[in-house]
Amino acid sequence: DAGVTQSPTHLIKTRGQQVTLRCSPKSGHDTVSWYQQALGQGPQFIFQYYEEEERQRGNFPDRFSGHQFPNYSSELNVNALLLGDSALYLCASSSFPLVVLTEAFFGQGTRLTVV
Amino acid sequence: AQSVTQLGSHVSVSEGALVLLRCNYSSSVPPYLFWYVQYPNQGLQLLLKYTSAATLVKGINGFEAEFKKSETSFHLPKPSAHMSDAAEYFCAVSHTNAGKSTFGDGTTLTVKP
Repeated sequence: DAGVTQSPTHLIKTRGQQVTLRCSPKSGHDTVSWYQQALGQGPQFIFQYYEEEERQRGNFPDRFSGHQFPNYSSELNVNALLLGDSALYLCASSSFPLVVLTEAFFGQGTRLTVV
Repeated sequence: AQSVTQLGSHVSVSEGALVLLRCNYSSSVPPYLFWYVQYPNQGLQLLLKYTSAATLVKGINGFEAEFKKSETSFHLPKPSAHMSDAAEYFCAVSHTNAGKSTFGDGTTLTVKP
């Protein structure tokens, strides 16, 4: 089992550009969540996808958008990049909680640097 | 709204000493609670979780945590620190599912030889 895989691992972009980050969830998981972790802070919830739809969203602007594919993999898109978008972006996969709480597994993250 | 406060952004102990990582949460209803560990340049690894069963929860790497509803705390003690415990530790809460959690700002644990 490969676990949660994210690509790329590192990325450097210029202000104003657009970026796409990718995540493949752990085998058997159908729900993908994205987090932004700025340096020295805890992860901040961006949004969560299930059944190819955005189900929940944190306090992030519309510049942040996502997509989930039929195979449960997901993309995070950020438009009009700002210097403040520089962070580690984490993907977490889980099973949709129908009855009991299930565990979330995190990928190693994508380090985005905006210059 | 829920929030998480981790008391002490940095904790330094000697190898073999007691470690206590502290977490307080603010929530209108009892939430699910988690402790995660993050090693440099890696993602988060679940240490343990509380989901309304026993108040004492056992996790990996010899960690245990006690849920105290009256104190709204979920502290993480470990009797004896190892060099391999040096990492950043995050406390998190959720009301819905583990994929949507509110995290504290983390505590960096340093273990001195």
